[in-house]
Amino acid sequence: DSGVTQTPKHLITATGQRVTLRCSPRSGDLSVYWYQQSLDQGLQFLIQYYNGEERAKGNILERFSAQQFPDLHSELNLSSLELGDSALYFCASSVDQTTYEQYFGPGTRLTVT
Amino acid sequence: GESVGLHLPTLSVQEGDNSIINCAYSNSASDYFIWYKQESGKGPQFIIDIRSNMDKRQGQRVTVLLNKTVKHLSLQIAATQPGDSAVYFCADFVTGTASKLTFGTGTRLQVTL
Repeated sequence: DSGVTQTPKHLITATGQRVTLRCSPRSGDLSVYWYQQSLDQGLQFLIQYYNGEERAKGNILERFSAQQFPDLHSELNLSSLELGDSALYFCASSVDQTTYEQYFGPGTRLTVT
Repeated sequence: GESVGLHLPTLSVQEGDNSIINCAYSNSASDYFIWYKQESGKGPQFIIDIRSNMDKRQGQRVTVLLNKTVKHLSLQIAATQPGDSAVYFCADFVTGTASKLTFGTGTRLQVTL
C-alpha cells in the first residue's frame, strides 16, 4: 500500500458527461501528480500540483482540469467526455516538487460509453 | 483484479530463471532512470533507480544496467518468482522544476511454473 488513495475505483459514464476523480496524497507529501494510462498511449503525465499551485503540465486536454485543495487532496475534473477518454487515471504524490520518488495510488478506471 | 490491458511485448520466463527486461530512452538530458512494477489492478510501484552517472546498480534480486551510449536501460531479475509477474515500465526524469516522469511502453513479464 503506497499510502495514496483514490476514489472512486471504477466510474462508468456516458459521452458528454463530466466526472470528478479524487486523490489523497501520502501523509506529508505536498506534491500531487495525475497520469493517464490508456491502451494505446501507455502512462502519460497530465499535471502536477505542489502545495495548492500548479507546477507542471503535460499532455492534458483543455476539457480536463485539476486542483489541489488546502488539505492537499486533489481532484481531476474531466468534462465533455469522449469514448477515447476511457482509461486508468493514476494519482501520485511526493514530498517535494522536484523529485522522481513518486508514490502511485491504485487508480480510477473510467469507462465512457 | 483488473489487468492493465495494454498491447505490450511479453516476456515469458520459467520460475527460477533470470529475467532481463529492456528499455530504450530518447532524452539524453535525463538525470535519473527508474523501473516500476505494475501488478494487475494496482498502480505502478517503484523497484529501483539509477542515476545517469552510474552504469550499474543492484538491489534485492534486481540489477539495473544503464548504457548511455546507446540510450539503453535493462532490468535484471534474478531467480524469477511467480510474484514477479507484472508489467514493468522504465521511466526517465530530468531534474528541474517540472518533475514529470516519462514512461516507456512497458513489458509484461509472465512467470511460468
